[in-house]
Amino acid sequence: AQTVTQSQPEMSVQEAETVTLSCTYDTSESDYYLFWYKQPPSRQMILVIRQEAYKQQNATENRFSVNFQKAAKSFSLKISDSQLGDAAMYFCAYRTIIQGAQKLVFGQGTRLTINP
Amino acid sequence: NAGVMQNPRHLVRRRGQEARLRCSPMKGHSHVYWYRQLPEEGLKFMVYLQKENIIDESGMPKERFSAEFPKEGPSILRIQQVVRGDSAAYFCASSTTHGTGLGSPLHFGNGTRLTVT
Repeated sequence: AQTVTQSQPEMSVQEAETVTLSCTYDTSESDYYLFWYKQPPSRQMILVIRQEAYKQQNATENRFSVNFQKAAKSFSLKISDSQLGDAAMYFCAYRTIIQGAQKLVFGQGTRLTINP
Repeated sequence: NAGVMQNPRHLVRRRGQEARLRCSPMKGHSHVYWYRQLPEEGLKFMVYLQKENIIDESGMPKERFSAEFPKEGPSILRIQQVVRGDSAAYFCASSTTHGTGLGSPLHFGNGTRLTVT
């Protein structure tokens, strides 16, 4: 079974600095997608970035980028120039198709605090 | 283009009552997923539905929980005889495809927070 592990329950960073959130996963599949979702206090799940497993190039979305290491099954999120609005819970998620159903498996989350 | 709409936003029920959670998917989306989030945890898959069909309910508790997605109207997650352990945030997500579109992300609603007193 697929599992996703986020080993950092909490992280904090100074505003304008860079922070990296860790994520590892376990799977025997070769074709899958990985995602980072942000959940602010409003509870909305916001897609931050996604990575296709068969692409070696790391995905980038503005200040957000990933370090995808397929062999190590690692998928970390780097946030550059941190802003106060980045404060939220961040969830790493693995997605695959099981019996026709698109399923997301989430990690436990990392609470990110931005210090002004 | 309205996103995934869930209501109510908050729901309080006493033990033994029934809870009904509603989800209207994004326009054009015919695939609906329900996830549950316990406090300080990630979301856990419950059930996947298409119009009038339950495709995968492997994450649903065997008793008291049911889901439907009728031809007309929203998807409903129903919890009968609620207990305190059912207190959680319940999220609905929708997508346009299920099998061929691995790159098609799920769009989540804002969730319904159920509190059982």
